[in-house]
Amino acid sequence: GIQVEQSPPDLILQEGANSTLRCNFSDSVNNLQWFHQNPWGQLINLFYIPSGTKQNGRLSATTVATERYSLLYISSSQTTDSGVYFCAVVPMDSSYKLIFGSGTRLLVRP
Amino acid sequence: SQTIHQWPATLVQPVGSPLSLECTVEGTSNPNLYWYRQAAGRGLQLLFYSVGIGQISSEVPQNLSASRPQDRQFILSSKKLLLSDSGFYLCAWVAGANVLTFGAGSRLTVL
Repeated sequence: GIQVEQSPPDLILQEGANSTLRCNFSDSVNNLQWFHQNPWGQLINLFYIPSGTKQNGRLSATTVATERYSLLYISSSQTTDSGVYFCAVVPMDSSYKLIFGSGTRLLVRP
Repeated sequence: SQTIHQWPATLVQPVGSPLSLECTVEGTSNPNLYWYRQAAGRGLQLLFYSVGIGQISSEVPQNLSASRPQDRQFILSSKKLLLSDSGFYLCAWVAGANVLTFGAGSRLTVL
């Protein structure tokens, strides 16, 4: 099956710093989403981005489908950005199954 | 508005006891429904998904089963829990926008 790899696995930032999280996938996809899981376990969808670039406030994401990777940018990080960031994809051969990477655990220190 | 409810939020069960976790979705019809499990400190594993009433696809052979008795209801069950069933169980749904939305989760501890 498709492999979804996220890097780095762990990241510690000082408040105000910028960061880039990466998601590589091993096969073609028709759906890619980024999620944030807060310390209480709630998963929130950040972006639906099978290709191209989107921005939402301090967050932006870019997916280059032909090269099988996606990037999540966090600018001017805040302590509330702490948590785990997941990339998830739907393989081309499946319309329904969203497969998750192992996540990047982010800690933003004040 | 569209909402997803999941319960119970937490439970502690002895080994060998049964399990029933329930998920309901409001404000939509014919959603795709999913059960995921997250072990401590790890990623999300897809357990089951359903594209309609009575239609269940299993991704991982295990001690669990799922049922969809109504369009917006998805139930995760076990007849006899194992220690390895402990984890954080998340229900999710997808509607026309192809965006996955999660419930608040059910944290299960098997002792």
